[in-house]
Amino acid sequence: DTGVSQDPRHKITKRGQNVTFRCDPISEHNRLYWYRQTLGQGPEFLTYFQNEAQLEKSRLLSDRFSAERPKGSFSTLEIQRTEQGDSAMYLCASSDRKYNSPLHFGNGTRLTVT
Amino acid sequence: TQLLEQSPQFLSIQEGENLTVYCNSSSVFSSLQWYRQEPGEGPVLLVTVVTGGEVKKLKRLTFQFGDARKDSSLHITAAQPGDTGLYLCAGSYSGGGADGLTFGKGTHLIIQP
Repeated sequence: DTGVSQDPRHKITKRGQNVTFRCDPISEHNRLYWYRQTLGQGPEFLTYFQNEAQLEKSRLLSDRFSAERPKGSFSTLEIQRTEQGDSAMYLCASSDRKYNSPLHFGNGTRLTVT
Repeated sequence: TQLLEQSPQFLSIQEGENLTVYCNSSSVFSSLQWYRQEPGEGPVLLVTVVTGGEVKKLKRLTFQFGDARKDSSLHITAAQPGDTGLYLCAGSYSGGGADGLTFGKGTHLIIQP
């Protein structure tokens, strides 16, 4: 069981720079999700894909954020012109299409914007 | 906006004690999941409850889904230091899509030896 993997685990960047995170889901899962979690809070939904189609985007996802899943396998989340308020843990999760399927989370990418 | 409120926010108890944490909403869930998260890691699923009044047990953990499917509780018997972590409830309002899965802020649990 390879699980969900995320890369990098940590990223420190200066305000205004662009960053990109990668997520590799469990191979047989066709649903992939991105969440953001700040200190002391639960995960907040950002967006999700079914195969390569992005089906839902939260209003938390400003136009500086873009996510892709070009071949329905791995996904990338890019943040342009980072701001200090973007500092958070970015979590990726995957699931299959069964009713009430649980989410399998990766260990996240912790972003610090200085 | 559909909100999930968890209480207490923080709980620190001695090893061997019992505890209960709560998850409440004004909306009806089609299902509810409990996750546990340790520092630096992603949440890990503990249980899914679907039917109103349902009770599920996982060793020393007992999960209950309210009859009206608006609330849930997690009871831990004889807590151990390994139970320390952030306990998150997540409710699905739409019956399976990620768009319906909303997380509470969690209960930070510390079990002191």
